[in-house]
Amino acid sequence: SQTIHQWPATLVQPVGSPLSLECTVEGTSNPNLYWYRQAAGRGLQLLFYSVGIGQISSEVPQNLSASRPQDRQFILSSKKLLLSDSGFYLCAWTLAGGQFFGPGTRLTVL
Amino acid sequence: SQQGEEDPQALSIQEGENATMNCSYKTSINNLQWYRQNSGRGLVHLILIRSNEREKHSGRLRVTLDTSKKSSSLLITASRAADTASYFCATDGGSTLGRLYFGRGTQLTVWP
Repeated sequence: SQTIHQWPATLVQPVGSPLSLECTVEGTSNPNLYWYRQAAGRGLQLLFYSVGIGQISSEVPQNLSASRPQDRQFILSSKKLLLSDSGFYLCAWTLAGGQFFGPGTRLTVL
Repeated sequence: SQQGEEDPQALSIQEGENATMNCSYKTSINNLQWYRQNSGRGLVHLILIRSNEREKHSGRLRVTLDTSKKSSSLLITASRAADTASYFCATDGGSTLGRLYFGRGTQLTVWP
């Protein structure tokens, strides 16, 4: 069966520090992968999606970047975090029956 | 905006009652999905309904889709306290790339 992992689960970082969030999937090959952010009390906003290794599409201009170094690995990064980067970050992938999400990483930037 | 918009923003009911949440969207779609999110947790996929479907059931869940009105509804029958969560609809905006556009959700509270 397919599984999606995210880590860390919780992260507290100072403003200006770098960020690296990792998402990996199991049980499939060549999945479409997505990074979303959810601000407090809001719906999800798509940040990046990837249809294959090295292929990244950005939905909104921002302080973040994404990379897909391997088929089942999707990484969200920042060189210098801003206060506004705080939020709940979710990785997702798509199957024929829908889009399925990982457990998420809660990032607090202080 | 291509976002789905849920209505109402908050819903409070007693156990055993039915809960109905609505979603409206603005673009054409291939499918529409409903998700549930418990406080501070990830999203759980509930149901996907395709644009050529009008109704779909899964356990106590019933989803309808009216593409002429660009709207969908999620009905939870015989609600339980454990159904307390935020519920989101998401559309694909007519794209086949799998990108989803979410509304802000309906916060459902079921009182025992």
